[in-house]
Amino acid sequence: AQSVSQHNHHVILSEAASLELGCNYSYGGTVNLFWYVQYPGQHLQLLLKYFSGDPLVKGIKGFEAEFIKSKFSFNLRKPSVQWSDTAEYFCAVIPSGNAGNMLTFGGGTRLMVKP
Amino acid sequence: GAGVSQSPRYKVAKRGQDVALRCDPISGHVSLFWYQQALGQGPEFLTYFQNEAQLDKSGLPSDRFFAERPEGSVSTLKIQRTQQEDSAVYLCASSLRSASANEQFFGPGTRLTVL
Repeated sequence: AQSVSQHNHHVILSEAASLELGCNYSYGGTVNLFWYVQYPGQHLQLLLKYFSGDPLVKGIKGFEAEFIKSKFSFNLRKPSVQWSDTAEYFCAVIPSGNAGNMLTFGGGTRLMVKP
Repeated sequence: GAGVSQSPRYKVAKRGQDVALRCDPISGHVSLFWYQQALGQGPEFLTYFQNEAQLDKSGLPSDRFFAERPEGSVSTLKIQRTQQEDSAVYLCASSLRSASANEQFFGPGTRLTVL
């Protein structure tokens, strides 16, 4: 079975600082990878996803993530955070093809951006 | 509305009571998922429907949990004889097709508190 680990549970940054949130997964086959975000009081929404092609994926609101297959990683980055990026971020994985359809989530990283 | 809706948004139950949680997926979405999110953790898979067929219920924690989607649209998650450890947010998600690369759209969740 697959698993996902997010190394940072809480991150505090000042506005304009750069962000990198770590995500590692364990699974022997090919995977589809996702980052979801949950803003305070709102539901989970997709930030970006990777399933094939260019390993550098760009998402909404200036976020990007890089899939490094050799490291089983899919880290999320943003060059300059804003106060409105305060939220909880979840990395998730689904095995490709017919091996399953449910998302396996990491434990989440709570980001606080100070104005 | 255009999104996934869930009701009730909040439910308080006394230990031993039965509860029923409702999910209205996005119209036309084939796949429907239920997840459980305990406090401070990422969502964990409970069960998956493709139309009215329940294809995977491996994540249901006990036989007190039961889910149905009789007409392939609205789904109900029922928990019998609730226990304190059932306290969590229950998330419903739907996707247009069953392929693993399809985005899952999440509802706002039902926060269940068992006293």
